[in-house]
Amino acid sequence: DQQVKQNSPSLSVQEGRISILNCDYTNSMFDYFLWYKKYPAEGPTFLISISSIKDKNEDGRFTVFLNKSAKHLSLHIVPSQPGDSAVYFCAAGGDQAGTALIFGKGTTLSVSS
Amino acid sequence: DAEITQSPRHKITETGRQVTLACHQTWNHNNMFWYRQDLGHGLRLIHYSYGVHDTNKGEVSDGYSVSRSNTEDLPLTLESAASSQTSVYFCASSGPPGTGAPQNTEAFFGQGTRLTVV
Repeated sequence: DQQVKQNSPSLSVQEGRISILNCDYTNSMFDYFLWYKKYPAEGPTFLISISSIKDKNEDGRFTVFLNKSAKHLSLHIVPSQPGDSAVYFCAAGGDQAGTALIFGKGTTLSVSS
Repeated sequence: DAEITQSPRHKITETGRQVTLACHQTWNHNNMFWYRQDLGHGLRLIHYSYGVHDTNKGEVSDGYSVSRSNTEDLPLTLESAASSQTSVYFCASSGPPGTGAPQNTEAFFGQGTRLTVV
């Protein structure tokens, strides 16, 4: 059973517009959430994270929102740029021993100019 | 600069052969992980380690093993390679050095190893 779900395999956005990528999780023990970006033939790179004690974290053009009651998080990219075109993975983890980061299946973002 | 390196970058092997993929990090991180990436499945956790001599099974551990004899290395072994293990494998590390406790700071990934089993 998937613990971290990204239900949209792909998203297409025009340059300058907002990109919103969504992620749902089922395990209420998760308390740390991350977004990774991946280009072809490269390893995933860390983008932004949020702790369960917060509902928002912002870093430049990237903002992550967390809704614990709905077990939902989203990544907002504003404004979107062609260089943002990549696969975005949502990941979740907890502080308890025996947990490691669990990833969703990823969403491919295409930003057109 | 500290880094995490995987070798080889590409490997073709035959069904039934034993294969070992190397992962080496110079951050002195306690936590190390192996993932595989497949179309339609994203990144799935194979094995992980929170310190020397510690190993744990992940979501898809059958047919794989790891050992952690030092902080820097976590080799992944496929005991008897199968076509279903054709995939791209990523190693990652995380955590502040020397704490001995699992901490979920951001993980740093290697460039990946593309393994083909024929």
